Amino acid sequence: GIQVEQSPPDLILQEGANSTLRCNFSDSVNNLQWFHQNPWGQLINLFYIPSGTKQNGRLSATTVATERYSLLYISSSQTTDSGVYFCAVEYGGGATNKLIFGTGTLLAVQP
Amino acid sequence: EPEVTQTPSHQVTQMGQEVILRCVPISNHLYFYWYRQILGQKVEFLVSFYNNEISEKSEIFDDQFSVERPDGSNFTLKIRSTKLEDSAMYFCASSQDTSAQYFGPGTRLTVL
Repeated sequence: GIQVEQSPPDLILQEGANSTLRCNFSDSVNNLQWFHQNPWGQLINLFYIPSGTKQNGRLSATTVATERYSLLYISSSQTTDSGVYFCAVEYGGGATNKLIFGTGTLLAVQP
Repeated sequence: EPEVTQTPSHQVTQMGQEVILRCVPISNHLYFYWYRQILGQKVEFLVSFYNNEISEKSEIFDDQFSVERPDGSNFTLKIRSTKLEDSAMYFCASSQDTSAQYFGPGTRLTVL
């Protein structure tokens, strides 16, 4: 099956710093999503980005599907950005496409 | 903004008991999913549901699991006889089509 790997596995930042999280996938995908899992365990939808670049406030994401990777940029980080960031890909056919989640990046933003 | 809701937020049960986890997907969505996340691990797909039937299920989704859409709004996951290893966070998700999936807040299941 498809492999989804994220790097770095852990990241510690000072408040105000910028960071780039990476998601590599081993096969062609139909779609890709980025999620933030907050300390309460909730999965927050950040981006639906099968290709191209999107921005939402301090966050932006770029997916280069032909090269099988996606990047999540966090600028001017805040303590509330702490948590685990997952990318998840959809591949395959059929009536519905399951999401395959990556291994996650644990981000800690220190004041 | 519409959102997926799940109840209960936390369920504690004894091994061997049946549990039903409930979800209300976003109202105009047609595709429904259950995922689970064992503590400290990544999120895993369990099952997808469309047009009142299971579209796909993972190896985890064995005969102990079942899903149902009993009315026009609810989507449930039943575990018939819980095991210790079923302890996890269970997420429901829905999508309008085969695009972005929106996740509920999860139900934390603890099996004692």
